Amino acid sequence: EAGVAQSPRYKIIEKRQSVAFWCNPISGHATLYWYQQILGQGPKLLIQFQNNGVVDDSQLPKDRFSAERLKGVDSTLKIQPAKLEDSAVYLCASSWARGQNSPLHFGNGTRLTVT
Amino acid sequence: QKEVEQNSGPLSVPEGAIASLNCTYSDRGSQSFFWYRQYSGKSPELIMSIYSNGDKEDGRFTAQLNKASQYVSLLIRDSQPSDSATYLCAVTNQAGTALIFGKGTTLSVSS
Repeated sequence: EAGVAQSPRYKIIEKRQSVAFWCNPISGHATLYWYQQILGQGPKLLIQFQNNGVVDDSQLPKDRFSAERLKGVDSTLKIQPAKLEDSAVYLCASSWARGQNSPLHFGNGTRLTVT
Repeated sequence: QKEVEQNSGPLSVPEGAIASLNCTYSDRGSQSFFWYRQYSGKSPELIMSIYSNGDKEDGRFTAQLNKASQYVSLLIRDSQPSDSATYLCAVTNQAGTALIFGKGTTLSVSS
């Protein structure tokens, strides 16, 4: 079974620039998550999709972050404009369903550095 | 905002010893509890899940849950240097739809 694919692995941008991350979940997984992990902290949920619908984006800074999941498969997360505090690893995860008994599978993440 | 608390460590144990990692959570309605291991520069990987009070054993790992005390722990027996990593405690919200992570405890096993 292929894992969760993310790209790029690394990205360095200047503040106020824009950036986009891509995620391809495990085939058949209906639920997709974007997490932000700042160095020394645990992952923080930004947004959760069930198929192509958003089910939780309560912690997404909507003034600068946006995400979409077209056709219920791939997803993109965009930051525009970036701030220094956005420097973090952005982790995409998927699970076959919502709910407590469906474990998350993480991708390798995208490490973003904002200078 | 519901919280998951962990001692950040580092927790240092000699090879062969038992490592004990602890976690408390604030949402009394949480029903599912997970331990993830994260090696430096890598993504988290699930190592244990527990849903009911008591102990759950899987190889060298034992998860313990006490919902009344809102407390979860992970014991690693016969610790190995390869166990050196950050261990993340994760708890679902009451609806069971979102996973909330603690900051993680860094474990260092010395040979």
